[in-house]
Amino acid sequence: GAGVSQSPSNKVTEKGKDVELRCDPISGHTALYWYRQSLGQGLEFLIYFQGNSAPDKSGLPSDRFSAERTGGSVSTLTIQRTQQEDSAVYLCASSWGNNSPLHFGNGTRLTVT
Amino acid sequence: EDKVVQSPLSLVVHEGDTVTLNCSYEVTNFRSLLWYKQEKKAPTFLFMLTSSGIEKKSGRLSSILDKKELFSILNITATQTGDSAIYLCAVVTTSGTYKYIFGTGTRLKVLA
Repeated sequence: GAGVSQSPSNKVTEKGKDVELRCDPISGHTALYWYRQSLGQGLEFLIYFQGNSAPDKSGLPSDRFSAERTGGSVSTLTIQRTQQEDSAVYLCASSWGNNSPLHFGNGTRLTVT
Repeated sequence: EDKVVQSPLSLVVHEGDTVTLNCSYEVTNFRSLLWYKQEKKAPTFLFMLTSSGIEKKSGRLSSILDKKELFSILNITATQTGDSAIYLCAVVTTSGTYKYIFGTGTRLKVLA
């Protein structure tokens, strides 16, 4: 595809349910990042994948959050037992490699009721 | 702790005005600084700066980096309503892995 694709664009879920957010990066991009953006806040780093290296998970806020990247391409961010404070826009970005501009998807707006 | 601070937090101007947005940073292992424009959804890339004193320019937008004083500015001349957006600054650092640390952004509103 031409750009980074994220799905779903919107997700409303009940507190306590699990959700999966998907990111399809630009073809050939080796680096993939997940960020969270809450209302009025900057982008909060969650996790980073680079090629076949072990991911940098240092930004994940709790063990309810996990992510994987299969085959060096598509990534899934999973949030288990969602809480209301998880409500935010989850942005995925990819790049050619280290120290290159990030290209963002349109995000998934998650609302936990 | 690495941090990126943007100012002002918000700004309202009239069409035709010139604006200057600021981004200061305190990080270890600086690699580059990037500016993004975020209108409704995806932030879109504007500039990447790695060297001090070299201005990057695109149309009415320009940006410069000062690595001694640890800041960058983004200038927009002859503003238009289409410039209304959140402008994000990010600094790339390396501490084992490459991290892009974002500021909270400056919300710019341009009135007709």
